[in-house]
Amino acid sequence: GDSVTQMEGPVTLSEEAFLTINCTYTATGYPSLFWYVQYPGEGLQLLLKATKADDKGSNKGFEATYRKETTSFHLEKGSVQVSDSAVYFCALSGLQGGSEKLVFGKGTKLTVNP
Amino acid sequence: EPEVTQTPSHQVTQMGQEVILRCVPISNHLYFYWYRQILGQKVEFLVSFYNNEISEKSEIFDDQFSVERPDGSNFTLKIRSTKLEDSAMYFCASHTITEKLFFGSGTQLSVL
Repeated sequence: GDSVTQMEGPVTLSEEAFLTINCTYTATGYPSLFWYVQYPGEGLQLLLKATKADDKGSNKGFEATYRKETTSFHLEKGSVQVSDSAVYFCALSGLQGGSEKLVFGKGTKLTVNP
Repeated sequence: EPEVTQTPSHQVTQMGQEVILRCVPISNHLYFYWYRQILGQKVEFLVSFYNNEISEKSEIFDDQFSVERPDGSNFTLKIRSTKLEDSAMYFCASHTITEKLFFGSGTQLSVL
């Protein structure tokens, strides 16, 4: 079945450091790919998405490119802030008939220190 | 931004008891979901619901689980006889025909 593997955490960085969180997937067909973020005490929020190969999703300084050849969707940010501290989840969706069933990775906890 | 609301935020119950987790999806949404996350593990799909019926369910969603949309606004998940391994964070989610999924902040269920 479909699956998502993401980099184990936790990740601890200093403010303004470069961030990469790796994500690879296994899927039949052509899934959409997502990064979700969960801030402490809150629900999952969509951070960015890409729906086809070579698409780049971006939001709040984060970017990820859908790489079909390496089945990857790595999350990057050039300069992290303390407010980026959260848990980040990579996910895929094989949208069928309007219904969206997401398959998630385990999540990577990011802590950014001042 | 509109919100999916879940109540309670934390529920503690004894093994074997029934629990009902409540969700109020965004009002114009048509597709509804329950996911759960056992501590330290992946967020897992449980069930999807559309047009007043289950459209898909995972192998986790056995006969102990049921979902209902009793009044056109609430969307509930019932666990008939809770087990220790049901302890998890349960997330409700909803969306329209477009792809963006909105999640609630979750209910932490602790089964003792």
